[in-house]
Amino acid sequence: ETGVTQTPRHLVMGMTNKKSLKCEQHLGHNAMYWYKQSAKKPLELMFVYSLEERVENNSVPSRFSPECPNSSHLFLHLHTLQPEDSALYLCASSQDLGTDYSNQPQHFGDGTRLSIL
Amino acid sequence: QKEVEQNSGPLSVPEGAIASLNCTYSDRGSQSFFWYRQYSGKSPELIMSIYSNGDKEDGRFTAQLNKASQYVSLLIRDSQPSDSATYLCAVNGARVTGGGNKLTFGTGTQLKVEL
Repeated sequence: ETGVTQTPRHLVMGMTNKKSLKCEQHLGHNAMYWYKQSAKKPLELMFVYSLEERVENNSVPSRFSPECPNSSHLFLHLHTLQPEDSALYLCASSQDLGTDYSNQPQHFGDGTRLSIL
Repeated sequence: QKEVEQNSGPLSVPEGAIASLNCTYSDRGSQSFFWYRQYSGKSPELIMSIYSNGDKEDGRFTAQLNKASQYVSLLIRDSQPSDSATYLCAVNGARVTGGGNKLTFGTGTQLKVEL
């Protein structure tokens, strides 16, 4: 496999459920990201990991809990979500975080379409 | 003030025409600029990156950057129906706590190429 793979592609869950989203990248990248994409809104950065260390939590509610066991895998654990959390959740990776004002391009997975009942 | 602004469209162009997509950004210090294409229900796909003022061409795509005016544009020559998608502009912006910086995305411009 190549690129960035996300599972599941679709997820429907109740507000009291616990589920996890999985992301795996086969690009040898060192940085990984979680984004939320809602209709008519820009992509919202949620978390950033560099070499398995979380370097950014963009004011995300604690009902979203990320985990990065190694540089190839990233998880997003979900617990007690709200209806407004229904969205497309995208994982991305880049070679590294870049330098001041200069980024490496980010490569995205196909996303998980999450629906909260 | 939005950090990255794009006209949401839809922008309709006839097949074979040139489609011009524009993006303005607020952070004058930004150095990296990207265009992503996103088909409905799919993930964003990187199609162009540009780092220096001027034009960068790749096949039917040309990215144009003007840092003094703080805008970046994407031209698509000989537009095809398969180019119909939403085009996202991304600009590097605020620092990340651990070093490096975030990409800030616009809301995207929907392009429709009509037969």
